Amino acid sequence: EAGVTQFPSHSVIEKGQTVTLRCDPISGHDNLYWYRRVMGKEIKFLLHFVKESKQDESGMPNNRFLAERTGGTYSTLKVQPAELEDSGVYFCASSQGDEQYFGPGTRLTVT
Amino acid sequence: AQSVSQHNHHVILSEAASLELGCNYSYGGTVNLFWYVQYPGQHLQLLLKYFSGDPLVKGIKGFEAEFIKSKFSFNLRKPSVQWSDTAEYFCAVNSNTGNQFYFGTGTSLTVIP
Repeated sequence: EAGVTQFPSHSVIEKGQTVTLRCDPISGHDNLYWYRRVMGKEIKFLLHFVKESKQDESGMPNNRFLAERTGGTYSTLKVQPAELEDSGVYFCASSQGDEQYFGPGTRLTVT
Repeated sequence: AQSVSQHNHHVILSEAASLELGCNYSYGGTVNLFWYVQYPGQHLQLLLKYFSGDPLVKGIKGFEAEFIKSKFSFNLRKPSVQWSDTAEYFCAVNSNTGNQFYFGTGTSLTVIP
């Protein structure tokens, strides 16, 4: 069984540019989560999808972040325009029960 | 709001030493508790979890953790570490009514051969 995959693994962009991160959950998992870890700090929740619906987006930092999950399969997280403080590792996780399975993360660097 | 504290940010041990990593959480209700590990270059992986029952839970690779409700703690232990345990360890909590995880800041463990 394939695990959670994320693309790209690394992204370096300039301030003001747009970046789109993608997450493919484990097949059949209805729940999909986005988290972010800023260097040296805790992994913080961003939002939670159940199928294609946003169940909880209380962790989204501001309106420069837009997450979608069309068709309830893969999800994208777009940052537009990117700011320096958006740098960090963005993790995706999926679940069908209590345990969340994490992807390898996308390391985003905004210069 | 829930929060998770991991007191040790960096731990360096020699092989065969015993390990205990502290984790405390703040939440008044019923929680589920987890320890995740991230080996260099790999995904976050579940080490062990506690939902209910015996407060001493055993996980993979010889790790165990004890839930002490009165102390709001869920410390991770291993009696004898190996070089291959070098990794970053994260404590996480979620409430049994919610789905999002609250993570600690992580503890980086380096085991010297």
